[in-house]
Parts: sequence; C-alpha cells; structure tokens
Amino acid sequence: AQSVSQHNHHVILSEAASLELGCNYSYGGTVNLFWYVQYPGQHLQLLLKYFSGDPLVKGIKGFEAEFIKSKFSFNLRKPSVQWSDTAEYFCAVTPPHNAGGTSYGKLTFGQGTILTVHP
Amino acid sequence: NAGVMQNPRHLVRRRGQEARLRCSPMKGHSHVYWYRQLPEEGLKFMVYLQKENIIDESGMPKERFSAEFPKEGPSILRIQQVVRGDSAAYFCASSPVRALGTEAFFGQGTRLTVV
Repeated sequence: AQSVSQHNHHVILSEAASLELGCNYSYGGTVNLFWYVQYPGQHLQLLLKYFSGDPLVKGIKGFEAEFIKSKFSFNLRKPSVQWSDTAEYFCAVTPPHNAGGTSYGKLTFGQGTILTVHP
Repeated sequence: NAGVMQNPRHLVRRRGQEARLRCSPMKGHSHVYWYRQLPEEGLKFMVYLQKENIIDESGMPKERFSAEFPKEGPSILRIQQVVRGDSAAYFCASSPVRALGTEAFFGQGTRLTVV
C-alpha cells in the first residue's frame, strides 16, 4: 500500500526565510506526485505536480519541488517566504495511469505541514 | 467555469441524525472522489465514483456511510446516525473522464460538526 510521510507537522518562519518541506513516499513503482496548499477556510489548491520529465518542477507562487527517485522524495521549496504563504501544505501521490485498476486517480495524502510565516 | 461546488459549507447535526453532503463536479467531469479530514490529520480517501457506479469504496467505514453519484444531479455522501467522531471536513474532488496527465480539482469542503 502507498503511504506518504511529511516530516514536519508545524514550521514557523519569518518573512524572507527559505523554506523546505520534506515529503517521502513508499510505492513500488512509478508515481505521480503533487503538492497542495490549503489556505485557512479555503479549498485545496494545486501548487505543482510531477508526472515525468525534468525532476525539478516549478509551480505557482514561486514554489518548486524536486523529485529524487532514489530517495523516494519530493520536497517542496521556496527561496523567500511571505506572510501570505501561511497555510497547510499537503504532499500527495497517485499511481500512474497505466497502473490501471481502481486505484487510478486516488490520492494518498501526507499528514500535512502547517506553515506559519511571521511578518 | 465554476469549480467543484460543495454544499453546505457548514453542517451541524445532533448525534443520531443523518447528514447529507453534496458535491457538484466541474463541468465535463464524471469522476468524483470523497475525502475526509479529521482534526489534526491529513486527508483520507473514502470513495471513488463514476456516474451511477461506485468504483472504489475501500476507505468508507463499513456502517452508516454511503455514497452515490446519480446520472443526473450531484454526488451525495450520506452519513446515518452520526456520532461525535464523524465531525470532520469532507472534501470532494472531480476529474475528467479521461484523467490521464491531469489532477483532481477540489471543492471547498463541508465541515460537519456533530453535537
């Protein structure tokens, strides 16, 4: 069974600090990887995704993530955070479309990391 | 182009009552997923439906919970005889018929409080 682990439950930073949120997954094959963000009181929004190709993925709002297959990791980074980045961040994984079966499209989420950015 | 619409946004039920949560997928999407987010936890998959079919309900509790996605109308997640432990945020996501290389789009969720 797939599982996703996010290393930090709560991260507190000051504005302009650099951010890296860890995400590791366990799955015996090729996966699709996602980072979602949930601002207070809002729905989940997709930050970025990785399906194939360049393992360094650029997302919205200055976020990027690097897929390291050998480490089963997909860490999220941002060079300089802003107060408006305060939110909860979720890493998620699905099997690729050619995995077939009923699990296709089903997201397995990590526990989430709450990011608080102080002005 | 409306996104995934869930209603109600907030729902309060007394123990033993029924809760009905609705999800209207994005236009052109016929795949619907329900997830539950318990306090202090990440989202957990509950059920995956296509029009008129339940494809995967491996995450649904065995009792009191049911889901449907009729030919016409929204998808419904139904919780009978609610208990305090059902208090959570319930999120719906939808994806297109051919979801290859795409992601699911989420609604704003329904926050269920059982008192």
